[in-house]
Amino acid sequence: QVQLQESGPGLVKPSETLALTCSVSGGSTRSYYWSWIRQTPGRGLEWIAYTYYSGSTHYNPSLRSRATISIDTSKDQVSLKLTAVTTADTAVYYCVGGRGVVGVWWYWGQGTLVTVSS
Amino acid sequence: IVMTQSPAILSVSPGERVTLSCRASQTISTKLAWYQQKPGQAPRLLIYGASTRATGIPARFSGSGSGTEFTLSISSLQSEDFAVYYCQQYNDWPPFTFGQGTRLDIK
Repeated sequence: QVQLQESGPGLVKPSETLALTCSVSGGSTRSYYWSWIRQTPGRGLEWIAYTYYSGSTHYNPSLRSRATISIDTSKDQVSLKLTAVTTADTAVYYCVGGRGVVGVWWYWGQGTLVTVSS
Repeated sequence: IVMTQSPAILSVSPGERVTLSCRASQTISTKLAWYQQKPGQAPRLLIYGASTRATGIPARFSGSGSGTEFTLSISSLQSEDFAVYYCQQYNDWPPFTFGQGTRLDIK
């Protein structure tokens, strides 16, 4: 069974860069597609970015190029960087994975709360 | 694509049948998934392709619809079914988009 574990700082200062890592176990990052999704009480579930081991990436236009997703198949890790954060980026961030048709999220990490505050 | 769920909150009794609605702002064929989220947990995939249950999902959960109108039905609600349910489209992306959720409360 594929398991995902997010890690990263729980507190980031405004204007700085949020950096999260997702460690994948029980499967290879080459076997699935990956995304980051975040959740806030106000905006609900918001898809951030997508990647596949082939190098394909796609982003939510709403993030105005602040997000970068990457994959390290040697370590079975998926990473997210979000630059120039504001308090609006405070959220629970989920690493998610899927198989088959792109966009169906079969696997979810437990989520990690990131608070943006000075 | 904007996904709109209704109602926002539904109060029901255990054992009852319930139907949740999800509408897409434009046609998405059957590229729709449903997720269940319990407090403090990540969402869990229930249904994809509008009507196909994910692995291990009980048969009391069923999905239907195509185009812009979709429903998730739960027959004979169990105590563990009280949660928030989200629909999500994956027909036209980026971005993938979610509805705002329907919360099932115990009456």
